[in-house]
Amino acid sequence: GAGVSQSPSNKVTEKGKDVELRCDPISGHTALYWYRQSLGQGLEFLIYFQGNSAPDKSGLPSDRFSAERTGGSVSTLTIQRTQQEDSAVYLCASSTRTASTDTQYFGPGTRLTVL
Amino acid sequence: AQRVTQPEKLLSVFKGAPVELKCNYSYSGSPELFWYVQYSRQRLQLLLRHISRESIKGFTADLNKGETSFHLKKPFAQEEDSAMYYCALGKAAGNKLTFGGGTRVLVKP
Repeated sequence: GAGVSQSPSNKVTEKGKDVELRCDPISGHTALYWYRQSLGQGLEFLIYFQGNSAPDKSGLPSDRFSAERTGGSVSTLTIQRTQQEDSAVYLCASSTRTASTDTQYFGPGTRLTVL
Repeated sequence: AQRVTQPEKLLSVFKGAPVELKCNYSYSGSPELFWYVQYSRQRLQLLLRHISRESIKGFTADLNKGETSFHLKKPFAQEEDSAMYYCALGKAAGNKLTFGGGTRVLVKP
């Protein structure tokens, strides 16, 4: 079946602009995660959603970052007033649940470049 | 705080030689550990997890709680094993993953 998809695959923006990154999880997966992969920080957790529960936002680096998940499916990660340090590959993953036995399936990522 | 350390950024071995990727972790609870792999131009994917105690593509990893390690081993490396490998620690609640810095493996013919 179809895996996790993300769009756009690449995004170049100017400092100060807002960007939206989209993630389509695997159908039926109730858990959705956002991670960021950057040169300086490696792979780091940002936020996760599980069903209708309140999201765990503990990894968001600042209040310029927000995410929502509509209808328990598609998720959008929004970065407001982008800064150069936001340049990274943003990865989305989904799993059937959030138990440690559940495999997280990753999307191809969105490469964000802030000029 | 939980932390995952992969001391080697690059491992270069010849085909047929053994390869071992080191991973050390710090975590106060009961750890759930994983190895993820990213082949060139492919997405990150799970290679194996400690709870399964399985061998995938000839790779094995043993959790050593005394040494807080989860090293990945393969006795005979193949060229197709060339990739980026990440060790990851999952929290029991929510399974948020904490990744190590990654080790690039290059298997030379």
